[in-house]
Amino acid sequence: DTGVSQNPRHKITKRGQNVTFRCDPISEHNRLYWYRQTLGQGPEFLTYFQNEAQLEKSRLLSDRFSAERPKGSFSTLEIQRTEQGDSAMYLCASSSAWAENTEAFFGQGTRLTVV
Amino acid sequence: DQQVKQNSPSLSVQEGRISILNCDYTNSMFDYFLWYKKYPAEGPTFLISISSIKDKNEDGRFTVFLNKSAKHLSLHIVPSQPGDSAVYFCAASAGDDMRFGAGTRLTVKP
Repeated sequence: DTGVSQNPRHKITKRGQNVTFRCDPISEHNRLYWYRQTLGQGPEFLTYFQNEAQLEKSRLLSDRFSAERPKGSFSTLEIQRTEQGDSAMYLCASSSAWAENTEAFFGQGTRLTVV
Repeated sequence: DQQVKQNSPSLSVQEGRISILNCDYTNSMFDYFLWYKKYPAEGPTFLISISSIKDKNEDGRFTVFLNKSAKHLSLHIVPSQPGDSAVYFCAASAGDDMRFGAGTRLTVKP
């Protein structure tokens, strides 16, 4: 296991199109997070899964955004009817729920550009 | 609602000197604090952490200090090396919730 893997690394799409990103966490990790990062800002929390259950969603996650983790392993983040303001780096992270305090490990991110 | 703040967007230090990166937080429920380092085109990588029951944690050249009463933490890098040049994010968590600061870009000059 080489860590958290995100695909694609880059995505350019036209405004109004739908896009889907995939995240494969570290295999033994049962927590999975999605963050969004824009230029000059730190990662902003979007949503979080423990196993297949989506436990928390940020107000940033509008109705156009949906995330799934159907089997408690990989996760997908879909953005429908993309807008230029959705252009950002989308980061996935995973961690183990078995330790009380533990760091999250990040993937390399998917950079979305909406034109 | 920015619960974790890094007020210095950038810091420049000379190689061999100490780098001090600062972070403030507002949520007293945070009980675990982390520093991440990020290079361009890569995701953040974990650097060092500290639990709220401690006030200092050291790992090689990196030391994190926590002042709970001031809701302040800092990362000291000594001696600084050019390879330390990156963006450093402070993060704080309460249970499953992890929030990040906006980052400080550290440049270490040879």
